[in-house]
Amino acid sequence: DIQMTQSPSSLSASVEDRVTITCRASQSIRNYLNWYQQKPGKAPKLLIYAASSLQSGVPSRFSGSGSGTDFTLTISSLQPEDFATYYCQQSYSSPLTFGGGTKVEIK
Amino acid sequence: QVQLVDSGGGLVKPGGSLRLSCAASGFTFSDYYMSWIRQAPGKGLEWVSYISSSGSTTYYADSVKGRFTISRDNAKNSLYLQMNSLRAEDTAVYYCARSGHTNVFDIWGQGTLVTVSS
Repeated sequence: DIQMTQSPSSLSASVEDRVTITCRASQSIRNYLNWYQQKPGKAPKLLIYAASSLQSGVPSRFSGSGSGTDFTLTISSLQPEDFATYYCQQSYSSPLTFGGGTKVEIK
Repeated sequence: QVQLVDSGGGLVKPGGSLRLSCAASGFTFSDYYMSWIRQAPGKGLEWVSYISSSGSTTYYADSVKGRFTISRDNAKNSLYLQMNSLRAEDTAVYYCARSGHTNVFDIWGQGTLVTVSS
């Protein structure tokens, strides 16, 4: 099974800060990496697919990069509605696996 | 609009069974793979199972293999998860999710809570 490791597990940031979350796969997954945002009590929402493609309707302040084993989600200017937990997910092979999550909190 | 509605959760005793349902609307259900994904209280996301668009191919996480069965009825635009031999560690919110063959989850249900406790 492919293990997905996210860091940090949590972070505190202020509005308009630039935030970077990393995700590392235990083996190469090419660009089969997706990012989701989850707010408390809600279902996850797809933000980025195929490592760097922005899902329709997602603000352009979200971006993704990386390939192989190392990936990054960047929020260029954090907004109040972005405080949430973020998960990466590999879609390279089954069983499909998620990272442990990164909780973005208000400083 | 494109929507998935999960139902069927509840309280069940260890060793018991439960059947979850997911009703799809607003898209051609038979064109898409579907998955179940769960989240234990205060924990992260765990993929449980997927089924191909025709229903001919299924895959399960090791943690549920042999106990859970995923199925679909394309005529009724519905996805199911039959859960048998339930354990305390199966307690979670269960989400159905739509994906293409690339297994990117672009639409999610609202989730249904399954609690396994005596």
